[in-house]
Amino acid sequence: GQQVMQIPQYQHVQEGEDFTTYCNSSTTLSNIQWYKQRPGGHPVFLIQLVKSGEVKKQKRLTFQFGEAKKNSSLHITATQTTDVGTYFCGSWFSGAGSYQLTFGKGTKLSVIP
Amino acid sequence: DAGVTQSPTHLIKTRGQHVTLRCSPISGHKSVSWYQQVLGQGPQFIFQYYEKEERGRGNFPDRFSARQFPNYSSELNVNALLLGDSALYLCASSTVSGGDNEQFFGPGTRLTVL
Repeated sequence: GQQVMQIPQYQHVQEGEDFTTYCNSSTTLSNIQWYKQRPGGHPVFLIQLVKSGEVKKQKRLTFQFGEAKKNSSLHITATQTTDVGTYFCGSWFSGAGSYQLTFGKGTKLSVIP
Repeated sequence: DAGVTQSPTHLIKTRGQHVTLRCSPISGHKSVSWYQQVLGQGPQFIFQYYEKEERGRGNFPDRFSARQFPNYSSELNVNALLLGDSALYLCASSTVSGGDNEQFFGPGTRLTVL
């Protein structure tokens, strides 16, 4: 089936350090979505990328979609304790009129104050 | 406006039993999707419904079924529960069906199967 691989699984950083999580697929993706899930919470949509080479920024967060649309990254500059949580990438796959959103396993970010 | 609501919050069942989970989407959203999230993993897609029709089905056994009602709320049913069904079940709503739409997740139902 369709898979989206995400690395690393865990990342521990000192507050103020940068953080990056990567998402990869063996097939071309139609789009990539990023979600954040705080401990004990539910996933919250961050952004969607659809164009080859697309780069979007949200304050300290930078999202990129690869030129071949097979990979994506989320980069956080100068992490804060509020950035703690698990970051998931996901992509919609379609076939025969059916749709499915497939998530990676997520990267759990811990920020040490 | 209220977000996606799910009930119950927590549920404890024993193996072999049946369970029904409920979801109310955000007002105006016509699509509801269900996901299973095992601890330490990403959400796994179970179903998507739009206008009461199934629009997507993940790789889950036939013990899992769902339906959507005229008011766009939805139920997820799981029969013959197994220990491995213990997970957080998330419901998400969106304005339309299909790909490239933002999913608004509810708080989830924590199911424990003993």
